[in-house]
This record gives sequence, C-alpha cells and structure tokens, in this order.
Amino acid sequence: DQQVKQNSPSLSVQEGRISILNCDYTNSMFDYFLWYKKYPAEGPTFLISISSIKDKNEDGRFTVFLNKSAKHLSLHIVPSQPGDSAVYFCAARGRGAQKLVFGQGTRLTINP
Amino acid sequence: KAGVTQTPRYLIKTRGQQVTLSCSPISGHRSVSWYQQTPGQGLQFLFEYFSETQRNKGNFPGRFSGRQFSNSRSEMNVSTLELGDSALYLCASSGAGTGINEQFFGPGTRLTVL
Repeated sequence: DQQVKQNSPSLSVQEGRISILNCDYTNSMFDYFLWYKKYPAEGPTFLISISSIKDKNEDGRFTVFLNKSAKHLSLHIVPSQPGDSAVYFCAARGRGAQKLVFGQGTRLTINP
Repeated sequence: KAGVTQTPRYLIKTRGQQVTLSCSPISGHRSVSWYQQTPGQGLQFLFEYFSETQRNKGNFPGRFSGRQFSNSRSEMNVSTLELGDSALYLCASSGAGTGINEQFFGPGTRLTVL
C-alpha cells in the first residue's frame, strides 16, 4: 500500500519557468512532510519541509504548499535552473514516528 | 564534517549468496536508517537503529537484518539473495540538532544479484 504517491514519474520544464512537483498521501496521521532531491550516484539531499500546522513554507526559489483536506502537497521551483534537473522525492512522517515514508520520485528535467 | 559513507559502492552477487553492507554515519549522529531504492518503488524503509537498538522496522522479510555498533556504525545483511534484491541500498543518519526529520543520506551501495 503506497501511502505517499508521486503520480508523475517525469516532468520536463523550460529553464526560467516554474516547476511544480506534486505528491499525494493517504495517511491522515502524517504530520511532517519533506522534499528530497537526488542526483545520479549520490544519496538524496534534504531540500525543504513543512509541518502539518502550516500550509506554506518558502526557502529561496523553493516553496512547498500543503493542502491537508486534499491530502496533497506540491513543490514549486521558480525560476527553474538546469542544476535543478534531478529526481525529487516527497516524504512524510507520522506523528511520533521515527521513520520516513517516501514516494516513488519524479524525475525533473530542465531544458535550456 | 565528513558525510555519511557507505561501503562498498558497488557489489555483484549471485542468487543464494549473502551480503553485508556497511554505513558510517556523520560524527555525533546516533540514528541510522536503511532504505532500499528500486525503480518505480521509491525508497522503502528497511529499519532504523539508535544506540545499538533496532527502533523501527519496515515490511521486509527476515532475510534482511542489521545491527549497530557502539560507535554508531551500522551494517546491513541480506541472506539467501534473490534477483529482486537488486537495488540501491541507502543509509541515512540523523542526530541531535538536525531533527529526526532531516536525515542525511550516504551515496548508497548498488547491489546487483545475478
């Protein structure tokens, strides 16, 4: 049972435009959400996170939006740069839990 | 500060064999988690160790086991390898000051089972 889903395996965006990556979850006990970025031959690196008590968190070009009623979160990257080309994983943590539940990942390609 | 290191980086084994993967966390980190990454499945949680004790376990068969040493280094063992065990195995560490949510990942060990 995939509790965290990223339904788009890939996304292609032109440099300078906005990239929007989506993530859906099914477990209402999740209270913390994170985005990780992964380059080939490297481990995932933490990008940005959001607590369930917020609906938006911004860090430079990256903004994460959380819609609890829809059990949906999204990552916006503006403006997109070639170095943003990577696989992006959405992850969630249950209240009081220690482990992270990851989505399948979305491969983002930024075209010059 | 050195990052999370994993050895070996690449491994080729045959069905039925066993394998041991190693992970050295960031200095001072006491929590080590292991994940399996396969195409289309994302990262699947295997287990987490804290202060030499398994604190959490994912839904993997008993062929997958691990341990943590007093210096927080961790090993993961897979016995009786199957073709489906071919994957990238990632280790992540976290500790006080980073928040359990902000796990730091190593580069992974790519295991191929023939």
